[in-house]
Amino acid sequence: QKEVEQNSGPLSVPEGAIASLNCTYSDRGSQSFFWYRQYSGKSPELIMFIYSNGDKEDGRFTAQLNKASQYVSLLIRDSQPSDSATYLCAVNSNSGYALNFGKGTSLLVTP
Amino acid sequence: KAGVTQTPRYLIKTRGQQVTLSCSPISGHRSVSWYQQTPGQGLQFLFEYFSETQRNKGNFPGRFSGRQFSNSRSEMNVSTLELGDSALYLCASSLGTNYNEQFFGPGTRLTVL
Repeated sequence: QKEVEQNSGPLSVPEGAIASLNCTYSDRGSQSFFWYRQYSGKSPELIMFIYSNGDKEDGRFTAQLNKASQYVSLLIRDSQPSDSATYLCAVNSNSGYALNFGKGTSLLVTP
Repeated sequence: KAGVTQTPRYLIKTRGQQVTLSCSPISGHRSVSWYQQTPGQGLQFLFEYFSETQRNKGNFPGRFSGRQFSNSRSEMNVSTLELGDSALYLCASSLGTNYNEQFFGPGTRLTVL
């Protein structure tokens, strides 16, 4: 069983819309959750992290965490073509020092 | 503040050879993690070092090894290269606390022929 699951996409949204990216995880002991953005040919860039149940907002990005449902999501408001990338969900492992990554969701924002 | 640096950026080797990759973390960061990224498997954790000690290891064969120096710089070594080792090798730097925000370097693209 894969520990972190993401829909591979592609998820296509029009410019200006809200993009919703979802992630589920299997380890109930996980405490920290991260969203990375990866452009083609580049390395992952950390865009959001969340530790507590609820929502966390940073600019156009909102991370949502529901530990009971083992679910974390990322909302991107006012999506721009420059947001087109692969979004990786990462969850800390039992040890706390390693991150388990999903395979990523490809997002395409169309003008 | 300078980011994470990795050298070399690109590497071409042949089967059976060995390779050493280097990573310099963000100043003040004492933890370095290594990941392998391939199209089929995604990002997979190799190992993590903190203050020159390996704290965690992923599910990779013993051909993959690493070390960390007193200045927090880290190296990983892959011996007896196989075609399947072709991948992007990423180093991530963090303070090493439980919350573990990790910042990635640009990666080393290894091609094994």
